[in-house]
Amino acid sequence: EAQVTQNPRYLITVTGKKLTVTCSQNMNHEYMSWYRQDPGLGLRQIYYSMNVEVTDKGDVPEGYKVSRKEKRNFPLILESPSPNQTSLYFCASSLGSGGISHEQYFGPGTRLTVT
Amino acid sequence: AQTVTQSQPEMSVQEAETVTLSCTYDTSESDYYLFWYKQPPSRQMILVIRQEAYKQQNATENRFSVNFQKAAKSFSLKISDSQLGDAAMYFCAYRVPNTNAGKSTFGDGTTLTVKP
Repeated sequence: EAQVTQNPRYLITVTGKKLTVTCSQNMNHEYMSWYRQDPGLGLRQIYYSMNVEVTDKGDVPEGYKVSRKEKRNFPLILESPSPNQTSLYFCASSLGSGGISHEQYFGPGTRLTVT
Repeated sequence: AQTVTQSQPEMSVQEAETVTLSCTYDTSESDYYLFWYKQPPSRQMILVIRQEAYKQQNATENRFSVNFQKAAKSFSLKISDSQLGDAAMYFCAYRVPNTNAGKSTFGDGTTLTVKP
């Protein structure tokens, strides 16, 4: 089954404790993205990747890191989480540019709470 | 920077009736893609419909259709014969192909309530 998986689905942590949210896709997609969703603010793009070792900042990259060492994986790293990073996080992937390949497939989301 | 605006935070519709959700965007690009996504209470993001900017014909998917006005930078979603399962938050999204293909912008969403 074609899918995007995220782990963990729920996480409660404390300020300053480094964490990683994993994202994996099995569709051989080139493009992957991370978004955060906050009430009344829609989805805001954190980082995106157009291929292995190619990443770029989205609209809200501060406090986050990413890496793309393999095509299928795109982990999101919070080196020193703060309470303002409490949010619902989505990973998404798409085949490439142009036409139908622009459709993004989303993971199930990760609910992160930083206390 | 590209922006996407959904001016209706909440909308409601009677079951079997028709409702239109509004979306406007701002861009200097001539080639781009527009999408409507549905997010039910499960939080899963589901693609509803897509529109390529170079196509003049409005996209349709069963009960869902769009009114794409490129000059006005407007992209509204019409849901016909509304069903209880259509109740969800709807997001309008914009994406540019080619050199900046990873960049994507979403609106703030419209919560749709369907009344039985």
